[in-house]
Amino acid sequence: QVQLQESGPGLVKPSETLYLTCIVSSGSIRSGTYYWTWIRQSAEKGLEWIGRISTSGSPNYSPSLESRVTITKDMSKNQFSLTLSSVTAADTAIYYCVREFLGPYNYFDSWGQGILVTVSS
Amino acid sequence: IQLTQSPSFLSASVGDRVTITCRASQGIRSYLGWYQQKPGKAPTLLIYGASTVQSGVPSRFSGSGSGTEFTLTISSLQPEDFVTYYCQHLNSYPPAFGQGTRLDFK
Repeated sequence: QVQLQESGPGLVKPSETLYLTCIVSSGSIRSGTYYWTWIRQSAEKGLEWIGRISTSGSPNYSPSLESRVTITKDMSKNQFSLTLSSVTAADTAIYYCVREFLGPYNYFDSWGQGILVTVSS
Repeated sequence: IQLTQSPSFLSASVGDRVTITCRASQGIRSYLGWYQQKPGKAPTLLIYGASTVQSGVPSRFSGSGSGTEFTLTISSLQPEDFVTYYCQHLNSYPPAFGQGTRLDFK
């Protein structure tokens, strides 16, 4: 069964850049059956889709975050990453890396445990 | 596309049958999923395609609906079901989630 594990700093200063990595085990990010996604959750905004990257490497981002977000992948390490620039307190949230299954109906079938990121000086 | 769940909070007892509603701001055919989230844990998939129960999910969970109105029904509540539930659409991008329904003990 695939496992996803987020890693990165738990505390980021305002205006700085957040960088998170998701290590995928017991499954390959080369599979064309899935997209690899970042979702965050905060008390203020609830569950919020950030963006995704496909096997071919094409990313899609939430329009509300598009100017600050980059998602990349490293097939050699079987991992994908999130970069969020110019963070503010509003970016404080639990960040999840998630696998999106592609089928007649897409769905998010595997989630990492989540990592709490706090933006504070 | 926005999703609105009702109610936001629901009090019930073990053994009760409960229904949670999710309404979409525009038609999303059957591109709706339901997720369960336990405290301190990531959400887990219960239902996709509006009515298909994910493998391993107890049969007491069921989903229905299409277009703009959907329901999640739990036929006989078990103690472990008193957590939070979210609907989510994948009809178009960006996907969105409902605000959640928290199920509490009466």
